[in-house]
Amino acid sequence: KAGVTQTPRYLIKTRGQQVTLSCSPISGHRSVSWYQQTPGQGLQFLFEYFSETQRNKGNFPGRFSGRQFSNSRSEMNVSTLELGDSALYLCASSWTTGNEQFFGPGTRLTVL
Amino acid sequence: GESVGLHLPTLSVQEGDNSIINCAYSNSASDYFIWYKQESGKGPQFIIDIRSNMDKRQGQRVTVLLNKTVKHLSLQIAATQPGDSAVYFCAEKGAGGTSYGKLTFGQGTILTVHP
Repeated sequence: KAGVTQTPRYLIKTRGQQVTLSCSPISGHRSVSWYQQTPGQGLQFLFEYFSETQRNKGNFPGRFSGRQFSNSRSEMNVSTLELGDSALYLCASSWTTGNEQFFGPGTRLTVL
Repeated sequence: GESVGLHLPTLSVQEGDNSIINCAYSNSASDYFIWYKQESGKGPQFIIDIRSNMDKRQGQRVTVLLNKTVKHLSLQIAATQPGDSAVYFCAEKGAGGTSYGKLTFGQGTILTVHP
């Protein structure tokens, strides 16, 4: 069974731009969670989607948003990028909320 | 102001030694705990989990111990191998309400295994 896939793997943007990251969960998984990983703050929860609905949200500004499609694929968007948004963005999928989460390889975003 | 990066604890061991990685968690209501291993350039990989109604769980070469009294988790790796070199994270999962299913990660520990 294929694992969680994330695209693109690497991305370079400049301040003020916006970016969309994509995540394809493991087949059959309906829950997708997003995390931001930085050297300064570690791994932090962004949000979780299940059946196209956001179920949980972390403490991030409104510039960070996401959505989930009917096939469980998910996207997250960051608008008006700041230097501090440079991070590894990780997606994790699970059967449903509360089950074991399987992580993708992440998207490395660099904001210049 | 200037941001301060996390100073990750490090553990350096010789191949074949046993390793113990510790973690303190914050929420006494958390009901599920997980250890993840993250190698360079990869996402976290599940190692072992434990529910709050247990105090010990064993896997292949790994054992997790949970002490709810002091909110402490440990991961023991037997006969550590160079391939075990990675950053290890503990995570706690919210038990209910708006925290249900949300993983809160510890800062991580860098394990280096010398041949």
